[in-house]
Amino acid sequence: DTGVSQDPRHKITKRGQNVTFRCDPISEHNRLYWYRQTLGQGPEFLTYFQNEAQLEKSRLLSDRFSAERPKGSFSTLEIQRTEQGDSAMYLCASSSRLAGGPGSDTGELFFGEGSRLTVL
Amino acid sequence: GENVEQHPSTLSVQEGDSAVIKCTYSDSASNYFPWYKQELGKGPQLIIDIRSNVGEKKDQRIAVTLNKTAKHFSLHITETQPEDSAVYFCAASIRPGTASKLTFGTGTRLQVTL
Repeated sequence: DTGVSQDPRHKITKRGQNVTFRCDPISEHNRLYWYRQTLGQGPEFLTYFQNEAQLEKSRLLSDRFSAERPKGSFSTLEIQRTEQGDSAMYLCASSSRLAGGPGSDTGELFFGEGSRLTVL
Repeated sequence: GENVEQHPSTLSVQEGDSAVIKCTYSDSASNYFPWYKQELGKGPQLIIDIRSNVGEKKDQRIAVTLNKTAKHFSLHITETQPEDSAVYFCAASIRPGTASKLTFGTGTRLQVTL
């Protein structure tokens, strides 16, 4: 399978615990995104990487959240001191930026199947 | 920031009928409007997109229209089939710009009945 892979698919934790999610993007994609989706809502942008550089973070990403993409390949999203309000599906997506410059983007985000977090 | 509203939230049609989902956006600078389909337990998948220099785009049974003046865009599915049943999301972003930072609508649950 050469799509976006996320692990774990489901995580149940107690309030106050730390959790970490991993995302493996499509191998040739240099852009990686994290979105959060709560029940009955559309995905909300959290953060975005181009290669290993984290270029943008949403205000939704509080200081308890940290994302990394150390070698420009896989990414991790860590949530510290989880709260019940963190319960959601965390979606990772990747896209390809063509070599033609900032405007040369294929446009399509390829999403993984998500990591569902339940905080008790 | 951008705000995208989507209607209806649920839509039930009989197999073979057409389905229309409508979205409005707030930021006149938005110029890229994709539509995603999300099946149960899966991530969203792009089904069609349109850029602001085009008023309409069609791909087999799926078409999207864009009215920049009114800041709204619509998804049209003709000859619906049971496998079209899913949640559909519209989205908007500014391109080129910060890559694909999309603002999504709240989704439409489409049910195609036999």
